[in-house]
Amino acid sequence: GEDVEQSLFLSVREGDSSVINCTYTDSSSTYLYWYKQEPGAGLQLLTYIFSNMDMKQDQRLTVLLNKKDKHLSLRIADTQTGDSAIYFCAESRWGTNAGKSTFGDGTTLTVKP
Amino acid sequence: NAGVTQTPKFQVLKTGQSMTLQCAQDMNHNSMYWYRQDPGMGLRLIYYSASEGTTDKGEVPNGYNVSRLNKREFSLRLESAAPSQTSVYFCASSTTSGTPNTGELFFGEGSRLTVL
Repeated sequence: GEDVEQSLFLSVREGDSSVINCTYTDSSSTYLYWYKQEPGAGLQLLTYIFSNMDMKQDQRLTVLLNKKDKHLSLRIADTQTGDSAIYFCAESRWGTNAGKSTFGDGTTLTVKP
Repeated sequence: NAGVTQTPKFQVLKTGQSMTLQCAQDMNHNSMYWYRQDPGMGLRLIYYSASEGTTDKGEVPNGYNVSRLNKREFSLRLESAAPSQTSVYFCASSTTSGTPNTGELFFGEGSRLTVL
């Protein structure tokens, strides 16, 4: 079945760039997502990328997609302490229920002052 | 805007007890989902409802039942709770309309369940 993998922890200094990586196995994935979860809260969509795109930029966030290697990354520029959270990579397939996403285990980002 | 509302937020059960987690959304979304989140295991789909009147099993449905009461509400029932069901449960919803339909999930704040 589908599988999404990501490293569990990342620690950076405030002001540095953070890069969170993700690999997935389903070649039929249509949308790939990054969700953010703050302590004690539900997940919120941070950004998404359609499978026919290589890159998407949104303010401090840059998403890179290598479809050949099934590799997705999220870069956060000028990381702030408020960016400390768990970041989930997820994928879904077009043509089926688009909201039925498969999630990775989450990467806990710690930003040190 | 309330979004997705789950109740209760916290619950402690004894093994064998039953309970129902309630979820309601006010965004007129067609699809609703129940996920569980366990440490180091990400989110796993328990059941989903693509539209009012339909429900389907997800990845980990054993020990659970669901009811799509109407378009707004989707409940999750544990008939005989087990310690392995100790988890954080998230309800989510999404729309199947709009262009593009990105499949974005809107999550509730979670229900933390402990089974002793």
